[in-house]
Amino acid sequence: NAGVTQTPKFRVLKTGQSMTLLCAQDMNHEYMYWYRQDPGMGLRLIHYSVGEGTTAKGEVPDGYNVSRLKKQNFLLGLESAAPSQTSVYFCASSYSQGEDQPQHFGDGTRLSIL
Amino acid sequence: SQKIEQNSEALNIQEGKTATLTCNYTNYSPAYLQWYRQDPGRGPVFLLLIRENEKEKRKERLKVTFDTTLKQSLFHITASQPADSATYLCASYSTLTFGKGTMLLVSP
Repeated sequence: NAGVTQTPKFRVLKTGQSMTLLCAQDMNHEYMYWYRQDPGMGLRLIHYSVGEGTTAKGEVPDGYNVSRLKKQNFLLGLESAAPSQTSVYFCASSYSQGEDQPQHFGDGTRLSIL
Repeated sequence: SQKIEQNSEALNIQEGKTATLTCNYTNYSPAYLQWYRQDPGRGPVFLLLIRENEKEKRKERLKVTFDTTLKQSLFHITASQPADSATYLCASYSTLTFGKGTMLLVSP
């Protein structure tokens, strides 16, 4: 059982380039999330989805777009990468947002923007 | 908005002792708090959940408390082991807000 899989694990981009981070979960979870984790800042929510075809903004959505065309996949896009977007990106999923539903995290994508 | 605050300084303890980590929240009380463990280079892993109306929750060597008067949750690891060394995150799931985490180092 793979759980939450993030692709790629590492990436280096130049300023202005675009890329898409892929998150896939095999647990049939309804909810999916994208976070970024920076030193001294902790995990901050970028966007999340409560089901196929739906997305919503989190705490730090600017510069990112997301899509949830299939229930098992949640894509995070950077249209024009900036050095401030250098971070570790984590995807998570949960069965719902019920009080007893933990989030299951992938192992992250380490992204550097030069 | 709600904030979740954890001690940013690492906690160093000896093997066998009890580790106690603190999570404070501001403004309104979250309905429940979750605790996660994060190892270097890995994603967080869920450990325990405690509801607002529960004073204490236990799971094996782990114990979590929730004090709405102090606006605080405490996370205890009894009989700590070097393998418990990691960063521990506190989270308010209702607002999807995480604390910055506290690193625990258990020395033999």
